[in-house]
Amino acid sequence: DIQMTQSPSSLSASVGDRVTITCRASQSISSYLNWYQQKPGKAPKLLIYAASSLQSGVPSRFSGSGSGTDFTLTISSLQPEDFATYYCQQSYSTLFMYTFGQGTKLEIK
Amino acid sequence: EVQLVQSGAEVKKPGESLKISCKGSGYSFTSYWIGWVRQMPGKGLEWMGIIYPGDSDTRYSPSFQGQVTISADKSISTAYLQWSSLKASDTAMYYCARWATAVAGTPFFDYWGQGTLVTVSS
Repeated sequence: DIQMTQSPSSLSASVGDRVTITCRASQSISSYLNWYQQKPGKAPKLLIYAASSLQSGVPSRFSGSGSGTDFTLTISSLQPEDFATYYCQQSYSTLFMYTFGQGTKLEIK
Repeated sequence: EVQLVQSGAEVKKPGESLKISCKGSGYSFTSYWIGWVRQMPGKGLEWMGIIYPGDSDTRYSPSFQGQVTISADKSISTAYLQWSSLKASDTAMYYCARWATAVAGTPFFDYWGQGTLVTVSS
């Protein structure tokens, strides 16, 4: 099965900062990569699909890039509501095994 | 409006059985896969399995195969996750989510239920 590794596991940043989170797949997954945001006590929310497509209603300060094995989620200017945990997920598997990364917790500095 | 509404929190003892539900509305329930995701306390998201309510085609993560059963009743637009014998290690939040596909063919979870907290304790 395909393993997904995120880095860093946690990150401290300030409002207004530009932040980048990385996700690496154990094999090529083309652009079959999604990003979700989860706030405490809430269900995850889809931010980015197909590596770089912004889900409807998601602010444009969020962007995704990459293909193959290396992907990034960038928040161009952090807002207070962006402090949350972010997960990548591969949707490439032909075995219906759509694994998540371990998560990156974004905290206020 | 697309909605997935899950059943309420459960407190069970080890060895008991349990079936939790996820009711879809606002879309054609039989046309989208529904997946289940586990989140243990303080931990990340784990893919458990997925079902296509249209024909009940079901696929499981190897980690959960034989541990849980995923089913659906399309007549009432509801998917289920069940255990025959709970363990303390099944204590977690369980989410259902709709598995959609973009025009380009890349799939993702676009709508999520609110989660069902299952606590297993003697």
